Amino acid sequence: EAEVAQSPRYKITEKSQAVAFWCDPISGHATLYWYRQILGQGPELLVQFQDESVVDDSQLPKDRFSAERLKGVDSTLKIQPAELGDSAMYLCASSPPYGSGPPTDTQYFGPGTRLTVL
Amino acid sequence: AQSVTQLGSHVSVSEGALVLLRCNYSSSVPPYLFWYVQYPNQGLQLLLKYTSAATLVKGINGFEAEFKKSETSFHLTKPSAHMSDAAEYFCAVSPNTGTASKLTFGTGTRLQVTL
Repeated sequence: EAEVAQSPRYKITEKSQAVAFWCDPISGHATLYWYRQILGQGPELLVQFQDESVVDDSQLPKDRFSAERLKGVDSTLKIQPAELGDSAMYLCASSPPYGSGPPTDTQYFGPGTRLTVL
Repeated sequence: AQSVTQLGSHVSVSEGALVLLRCNYSSSVPPYLFWYVQYPNQGLQLLLKYTSAATLVKGINGFEAEFKKSETSFHLTKPSAHMSDAAEYFCAVSPNTGTASKLTFGTGTRLQVTL
């Protein structure tokens, strides 16, 4: 069964350093999402891509966060500089393209990257 | 704006007992509703979803949920809890637009199953 891949699974960094997370969605999935999940809370959307275009980045702290999906396949989320409050689980999800058959409403999640900022 | 409220951040049941996790939604448009499960240090796995078809939805691992528009609820149930059901459960909502849309999650309910 195809899965969403994420790396690294765990990352420890010091504040003010730069970090990057990678996500490879399920093959053929046009929509890719990055969510942030703070301990004890539900995930919150940071950015949504449709192919290589950003659809929604209204909750992305653009002064320090950036996301790209250059070829419309895999994606990178970067934080520079990291702050203590960025400690969280970063989840990537993908969903099939509209009209492809499988419902576009279902999002498939990767295992996440747990970030600890010291 | 859409939102979901999960009543009870922690629920404890005995093995073999009924599991009931509560979720109420708020939406100005017909919603899609989802239940996801998360095990420690893992991603989210879809349990079941409501997308305007049958109001009683059956999912994986023996779970089911019923969409009740009059009560704006989508509670998750399982007749008999198993130790392996211990996890965090999230209710989520997205707009019924037919295209890919973000999920808005509740704060989660941690299910504990005791012997």
